[in-house]
Amino acid sequence: EVQLVESGGGLVQPGRSLRLSCAASGFTFDDYAMHWVRQAPGKGLEWVSGISWNSGSIGYADSVKGRFTISRDNAKNSLYLQMNSLRAEDTALYYCAKDMADDAFDIWGQGTMVTVSS
Amino acid sequence: EIVLTQSPATLSLSPGERATLSCRASQSVSSYLAWYQQKPGQAPRLLIYDASNRATGIPARFSGSGSGTDFTLTISSLEPEDFAVYYCQQRSNSPVTFGQGTRLEIK
Repeated sequence: EVQLVESGGGLVQPGRSLRLSCAASGFTFDDYAMHWVRQAPGKGLEWVSGISWNSGSIGYADSVKGRFTISRDNAKNSLYLQMNSLRAEDTALYYCAKDMADDAFDIWGQGTMVTVSS
Repeated sequence: EIVLTQSPATLSLSPGERATLSCRASQSVSSYLAWYQQKPGQAPRLLIYDASNRATGIPARFSGSGSGTDFTLTISSLEPEDFAVYYCQQRSNSPVTFGQGTRLEIK
């Protein structure tokens, strides 16, 4: 079964850091680009960051550039998001998503919730 | 950044009716447009990619059309499970962007 499982979310104070993980299974992980997409409570979807299959191409939304770092470990079939200098506006459900060969996102995890609050 | 504007914000229809959802891009995205369905408490599900291709397992009542800046998602005859929020997404230019969503509710 093709599956993505996120972990690492939680309650964190403003200015602190958090590292999210996404474990992939059921497909050849290193064949595909991967992404993080977030959804603030009651709001729409916002792309956060994406990484190519070999980490050679990486992109970030302006809202997180310089604070978040995406990475992957193909040997571990895992995707990561290091989030530094967290702000209240980063509060959201963070989804990991598989890229359908530079096209749409065909597989999504169930998300991990990040709450930034003092 | 390409802005995607979805209309209407909310669509109220009855089961069996036809639903037409619109997505307009601020500049051409060619055919690099996808549609997703999201139900409460669930992750988004890919319905349509490349403007008109149904994703694996998606029923034939869902269809997509359009190119350039104007796109449409059509649900030919609404089933009870189709009432949800629908998002469009473009991959033509970085950054990836999503529309604000259309809520399809039962009338």
